[in-house]
Amino acid sequence: DTTVKQNPRYKLARVGKPVNLICSQTMNHDTMYWYQKKPNQAPKLLLFYYDKILNREADTFEKFQSSRPNNSFCSLYIGSAGLEYSAMYLCASSSKGQGNSDYTFGSGTRLLVI
Amino acid sequence: GEQVEQRPPHLSVREGDSAIIICTYTDSATAYFSWYKQEAGAGLQLLMSVLSNVDRKEEQGLTVLLNNKEKRLSLNLTAAHPGDSAVYFCAVSEGDSGTYQRFGTGTKLQVVP
Repeated sequence: DTTVKQNPRYKLARVGKPVNLICSQTMNHDTMYWYQKKPNQAPKLLLFYYDKILNREADTFEKFQSSRPNNSFCSLYIGSAGLEYSAMYLCASSSKGQGNSDYTFGSGTRLLVI
Repeated sequence: GEQVEQRPPHLSVREGDSAIIICTYTDSATAYFSWYKQEAGAGLQLLMSVLSNVDRKEEQGLTVLLNNKEKRLSLNLTAAHPGDSAVYFCAVSEGDSGTYQRFGTGTKLQVVP
């Protein structure tokens, strides 16, 4: 199976409430990423795990958390959702040193915060 | 960090014509370059990935040209068909061993029958 699976496909959340998005892959990729995609904008890298090491972008450091309890699974957690979090969230995975040739994206979770 | 610009934002071509999308980047040390296709309601599909020492790569009607001196990457769809209608993104690598990618803002391509 060479796919990245994301759940749920659509998520509705209320302002101030937490949100947890889930991603899984069975390709034994060592790196998993989370991107945020808003309409007419480039996908923006939020964070990534290389093995068990979490790297978060400086400008989104305090807004998003993540966990990777095993190689196959990675979650994205928003502690208190705001309207500005409404976006498509894309998970991806790859193997370091493969020249991005195996970079694989999931179908995304569309989050709407109301 | 790396800055990536992509143009045009919108492109409409007739079926059978070619479509060219261009990206420019700022970091000449970038190691990997990729093009992705996003169809409506779907995630990003990797079309082609090239290393910085590759000037030209062709696969299945797609041609990627890389000019590292001018920091320019292009995607040429030869003989476009309606199934090619989608949003296309370029991406350039950053980080240790090109760990993660910076994306362009996308080009919405419409192929008219």
